[in-house]
Order: sequence, then structure tokens, then C-alpha cells
Amino acid sequence: EAGVTQFPSHSVIEKGQTVTLRCDPISGHDNLYWYRRVMGKEIKFLLHFVKESKQDESGMPNNRFLAERTGGTYSTLKVQPAELEDSGVYFCASSQGTADYGYTFGSGTRLTVV
Amino acid sequence: KNEVEQSPQNLTAQEGEFITINCSYSVGISALHWLQQHPGGGIVSLFMLSSGKKKHGRLIATINIQEKHSSLHITASHPRDSAVYICAVRGRETSGSRLTFGEGTQLTVNP
Repeated sequence: EAGVTQFPSHSVIEKGQTVTLRCDPISGHDNLYWYRRVMGKEIKFLLHFVKESKQDESGMPNNRFLAERTGGTYSTLKVQPAELEDSGVYFCASSQGTADYGYTFGSGTRLTVV
Repeated sequence: KNEVEQSPQNLTAQEGEFITINCSYSVGISALHWLQQHPGGGIVSLFMLSSGKKKHGRLIATINIQEKHSSLHITASHPRDSAVYICAVRGRETSGSRLTFGEGTQLTVNP
């Protein structure tokens, strides 16, 4: 079975530019999560989709971040305009259900804003 | 203060040593996860625990729900075990099923 795929693996953009990250979850996994690790800090939750609906977006830092999951398949996370503090590694994870199911993580996208 | 605390932050061992990484948490949980991240790599799920003990190869994970504490043990450590080990919990009161993470433990096993 294919795992969770994220791309790009790395992105370097200038402050003020726009970047879109993509996550393809495992086929059939209704639950999709975005997490972020900023340098020197723990991984933190951003948001959770169940199919195409946002179940919990309480971790989104501000309105420069927009996540979508059209059709309940892949998801995109857009940062517009990017700021220096947005640099970090963005992880996506998917799971089949919410109750005590394991998670499968992607390899992450390392975003550097200069 | 983070809801999930790991110790130590960094650990260096010689090949063959027995290793223990600790995780304490301050909230009621429905599950605790141990994850592994190799340099430049993605995150791999090692264990999901809600009680007791699990073993997979040289890895053993235990949890004490009353004490809100979990340990990850590696027996006969090997240089390929060098990675960041991360403890994460799913809070019982948490909306949905999001995880709260510890900062991770950087393990280096020297030959």
C-alpha cells in the first residue's frame, strides 16, 4: 500500500511569496492531519480533516494559512503571504478512523522562508 | 509547560547498550504513541499504547496510566537506531483525534 505522500519535499521561498504544500493520504483514510515543527520546538497540530470537512482547525496560526481537501482525497496547505516564522517542517498524517487507530505520517515538507 | 515532557533531550550510547527514553504527560489520554524520525526522513509510528506493554523486535514500550508515564526501551542498541524518538498523546478530552507531541529525544548510538 502506498504511504502518505507529501510534496514538495523542500521549498525555499522569499518572504511575501505564496507556497502551496500538498499531501496525498493513504487511499481510504478519511482522516487527514497537518502538523508543523518549527526549529527547536515540538511538533504542533494545525488542523484535522474528516473527508472534505474541517473537523478541527484550532491549530492554524493565522489567516495566512488556508487548507483545503476538495473531494476528500488529497489536501493542500497554502501559506500566503509567507513570513519568516513560517519556516519549519510541515507533516501530514492520515488515519482510517479517529478511535484508537494508528497514524501514518508523510516525510514532511521542509519550508524555508528567506 | 508542555503537556508532554520527554527525557533525556539527548542521549549518546555505545553499541550494545540498553537504552531507556522516558515520557511524562499531564492530561488524561486515550492513547500514547512512540514515533521515530531519522535525519531528513519522515516519521514512523513504532507503538500505540493505551495500557501495559508492547514489544517489537528490540523495542519495548510500557505505559503506566496512573502515573501518566511511558518508557521506550531499546535492547542491544545499534548505530542504525540513531534517530529522534518522539512521544505523542491523544488526549481523552481532545476534539477529534489530534496528537500532542513531546520535543523528542535525539539518540546517537556509536559503534
